[in-house]
Amino acid sequence: AQSVAQPEDQVNVAEGNPLTVKCTYSVSGNPYLFWYVQYPNRGLQFLLKYITGDNLVKGSYGFEAEFNKSQTSFHLKKPSALVSDSALYFCAVRDRGGATNKLIFGTGTLLAVQP
Amino acid sequence: GAGVSQSPSNKVTEKGKDVELRCDPISGHTALYWYRQSLGQGLEFLIYFQGNSAPDKSGLPSDRFSAERTGGSVSTLTIQRTQQEDSAVYLCASSLVQGVQETQYFGPGTRLLVL
Repeated sequence: AQSVAQPEDQVNVAEGNPLTVKCTYSVSGNPYLFWYVQYPNRGLQFLLKYITGDNLVKGSYGFEAEFNKSQTSFHLKKPSALVSDSALYFCAVRDRGGATNKLIFGTGTLLAVQP
Repeated sequence: GAGVSQSPSNKVTEKGKDVELRCDPISGHTALYWYRQSLGQGLEFLIYFQGNSAPDKSGLPSDRFSAERTGGSVSTLTIQRTQQEDSAVYLCASSLVQGVQETQYFGPGTRLLVL
């Protein structure tokens, strides 16, 4: 079965510092990995995805993620955090079995950026 | 263009009543997904539509839950005889199926509270 884990419930970072939100995965076969962000009382917004190709994926709002096959990780990064980046971040993997491309989500990581 | 829209944005109902939640996908998107976000269960898949058919209903938690999609567009999720554990945010997502490159785009959700 496919799964992702987000080991940190919350990450705190000062504005201007680099940020990392961690995600590890467990899949059979090649993983299709996604990051979404959720602002308060809003739906999920797509940030980026890894399907194949370069291990460093660039996405919206200056975010990027590094796919590491040997460590089965897909950590989300940003060189310089903004207060407006404060939100709930979800890592997800696409289910590879059955008739659907449904997403299997991690438990989410709350990012708090202090001014 | 317009994104995924959902209505109502909030719904408060009494235990035992039926509710209907509506999703308008992005125009032209053939795939439609329903997910539920709750404190205890996180983000979980409910049902998937391709066109008007639902090849994957595996996430529906009980036979009180049903969904339909008409005209390959609007979808309605119906919960009969609501229970307090049905309280959650119900999220809809749509995608233009592109094989492995598929990306799901989410609506703002319907926040359901069962009293």
